This record gives sequence, structure tokens and C-alpha cells, in this order.
Amino acid sequence: DVVMTQFPLSLPVTLGQPASISCRSSQSLVYSDGNTYLNWFQQRPGQSPRRLIYKVSNRDSGVPDRFSGSGSGTDFTLKISRVEAEDVGVYYCVQGTHWPYTFGQGTKLEIK
Amino acid sequence: EVHLVESGGGLVQPGGSLRLSCAASGFTFSNYWMHWVRQAPGKGLLWVSRTNPDGTSTNYADSVKGRFTVSRDNAKNTVYLQMNSLRAEDTAVYYCVRDSSTVSYWGQGTLVTASS
Repeated sequence: DVVMTQFPLSLPVTLGQPASISCRSSQSLVYSDGNTYLNWFQQRPGQSPRRLIYKVSNRDSGVPDRFSGSGSGTDFTLKISRVEAEDVGVYYCVQGTHWPYTFGQGTKLEIK
Repeated sequence: EVHLVESGGGLVQPGGSLRLSCAASGFTFSNYWMHWVRQAPGKGLLWVSRTNPDGTSTNYADSVKGRFTVSRDNAKNTVYLQMNSLRAEDTAVYYCVRDSSTVSYWGQGTLVTASS
């Protein structure tokens, strides 16, 4: 199985400051169709996961533009330009290129 | 509006069985792959299973292969997860998911507890 490694696992951030989460895969996530199926999810306390970013850098509908994704191959990053209180939760990267799809361990973002 | 509503969770003894259901609405169910993802209490996420639009192709995580079976009834807009030989480590919230390139919908989840 593809191992997804996220860091940091804990991310205290001051309101209004930027935040960055890294995700590394144990093998390339480029699919045979040329797409890279690396997605980012946010899970707020007590809620179901919500997808923020799909195929590395595409924001899902309704996702604020302070969220952005980047990367290629095996190294990916989720950035929040200015953290707001509603961003508190756990963030997961997940690869959808190789079955079984696999998640990173999760990064817990909290307000400092 | 898309809705995914899971049901069928509950308390079961280790070795027992449960069948989860997910009723879908708001989209053409028979056009989409459907998935099950679980989350153990206080833990991360595991992609459990998936089925193609007509139910002829299914895949499973290694930890559930041979014990869980995913199926669907497109006439009823429902996907199922039959879980046999349940273990304590299967205890989790199980989410029904419609996940495609451009949009991802998740249900609220149903809790399965395998405990004596």
C-alpha cells in the first residue's frame, strides 16, 4: 500500500498567520491518465470530513481561496494564507491513485 | 441537493455480523462509484471499500477483505456494506461517500461497536 506521511502532526497557529502542512507519498501519485490524485480533507470537531482540494491544486466548490494546494510526484503541500478560527480541525491528505486509497495520519490545527 | 444517509450501525459481539445501508438522493445514483470509509474513535481515516456504478467491480482494504462485502441496489438508490466476523478493531464510524474528480460528498456516518 502507498504510505502517506504528513508533517507536522500538530500545528499551533496564531489567528491571521499562515500555515503549511506537508504530505509525502511512498511512491509516485501520477496515474496512467496523467492526473495526480492527491486530495486534502478538513475534519472539524464532530463533523464528517470535507474535501478542500482535489488533484493537488483544485479547490472544491465553496472552499475559501485562502486554501491552496501544490506539489507533484511524491511531495505535496496544503497552505492556508491567513488562519481563521473556523479552520480549527484535523487535515488529511489522501491519495486516490493506487488502490487501496490511503490517508495521511492527520495534522491537528489549533489556534495558539 | 445530494444526501447520503447511513443506517444499520450498532453494538455487536465480536464474531457477529451487521449490514450497513446508505440511502442516496439528489443525484443519478447509478452513474457513480460509491465508497465506504471508516474512522475508529479518536483515530484517522481508512478507505474500506468501493463499488463501481453497476456493482460488477468491488475493492476492499486488506484489513476487511474476505469479511466485508459491498453491494448496491440502483433501483433503490442504496449501497450496502455487509460486515461479517466483526472484530474489536472494526469499531468505528462508517461513512458512505460519493467521491469523484470534481466533487466529494460524505454522509454523517453510523457507529459500529464490536464489543462483548
